[in-house]
Amino acid sequence: NAGVTQTPKFQVLKTGQSMTLQCAQDMNHNSMYWYRQDPGMGLRLIYYSASEGTTDKGEVPNGYNVSRLNKREFSLRLESAAPSQTSVYFCASSRDRNIQYFGAGTRLSVL
Amino acid sequence: SQELEQSPQSLIVQEGKNLTINCTSSKTLYGLYWYKQKYGEGLIFLMMLQKGGEEKSHEKITAKLDEKKQQSSLHITASQPSHAGIYLCGAGLPGGAQKLVFGQGTRLTINP
Repeated sequence: NAGVTQTPKFQVLKTGQSMTLQCAQDMNHNSMYWYRQDPGMGLRLIYYSASEGTTDKGEVPNGYNVSRLNKREFSLRLESAAPSQTSVYFCASSRDRNIQYFGAGTRLSVL
Repeated sequence: SQELEQSPQSLIVQEGKNLTINCTSSKTLYGLYWYKQKYGEGLIFLMMLQKGGEEKSHEKITAKLDEKKQQSSLHITASQPSHAGIYLCGAGLPGGAQKLVFGQGTRLTINP
């Protein structure tokens, strides 16, 4: 039972490079979320998808784009990475308004 | 906007001691979730509280939501090294939204 799977686990980018963080869940959840975690700031919501085909901005969406590819997969794209995007990124999923289940995270450094 | 304040920000206790972590909201809580995070790992769901005055326990961890639904506490009895980690509270937003806002986390260290 994999739950929420994130790839890659670690990534180092140079300023201006682009990359896509992948997330997949096997729990048949409707809703999926992307958060970033920075020291002393808890988790902040970047984007979420309440259902397949819909996406909405969260608290800190600038510099990111998302795609809800199908019910299982929700990707986060950085078009032109900046040092301020150095963070740990978490994907989560939930069945409607229920408990959110998290992946193990992607540790991203932008130099 | 909904804000959650956790206290303390960090806590060091001796193994076997009891401890309490608090989570205070600026507004009425619509669902309060406690998570635990080990260093370098994702968040593990612990408990969810929804009703004022509600209390839930799992093994040696007890979570409570006050009657006014603006404050929650997480109490650990007879702490063990396995309890070490970061504890985060999260709150659902009103209006049927599915988003959560999180406190900044409490880092718990257990000394042998």
